Amino acid sequence: DTAVSQTPKYLVTQMGNDKSIKCEQNLGHDTMYWYKQDSKKFLKIMFSYNNKELIINETVPNRFSPKSPDKAHLNLHINSLELGDSAVYFCASSQDSTGGSYEQYFGPGTRLTVT
Amino acid sequence: AQSVTQPDIHITVSEGASLELRCNYSYGATPYLFWYVQSPGQGLQLLLKYFSGDTLVQGIKGFEAEFKRSQSSFNLRKPSVHWSDAAEYFCAVAPRSNDYKLSFGAGTTVTVRA
Repeated sequence: DTAVSQTPKYLVTQMGNDKSIKCEQNLGHDTMYWYKQDSKKFLKIMFSYNNKELIINETVPNRFSPKSPDKAHLNLHINSLELGDSAVYFCASSQDSTGGSYEQYFGPGTRLTVT
Repeated sequence: AQSVTQPDIHITVSEGASLELRCNYSYGATPYLFWYVQSPGQGLQLLLKYFSGDTLVQGIKGFEAEFKRSQSSFNLRKPSVHWSDAAEYFCAVAPRSNDYKLSFGAGTTVTVRA
């Protein structure tokens, strides 16, 4: 069974569209994250939720809105897509969000291409 | 400012040779330290982590890393690389606080030649 899964794996869309990426973890973890990996492979955290509560919200455009319907799911909705949004988006989860004692498990990534 | 530096962008190593990847951090206090590997087209997998105690940490796939407080470094090593070790390697740090924000270095690409 896949621990952290993301759908879709690839997403090609046009500028101005709205799209969503879904993430699910079956590890029973309390905390989930979204990361963005740019074309130079630099990874940066975007959001983190702990038990459905937003705990990390980095400097991300308002067009990006995470939603956590339950602690096993964290979806990422992006409005009015721009060329610069093209990247690989990774979902991750960890047992807890405190103290950094718990490793983060990553999903396989969603490659978003905006044309 | 807090930062994680991986000085080597790309390393090429022969199969069977040893490998060392460098990682330096700049933090107010010693953070939690991690090494992740990303195989082509895949997500990230944790190789090893350092929280406290023994400064030489053993990980999966035959990797080890040594924490050196005086040098603010956490270098990754493998005595004998296999072709399957070709991947992107990321050093990451997290503060020892309730704000578990993982910060990544820029990554080092490892190429293994036969």
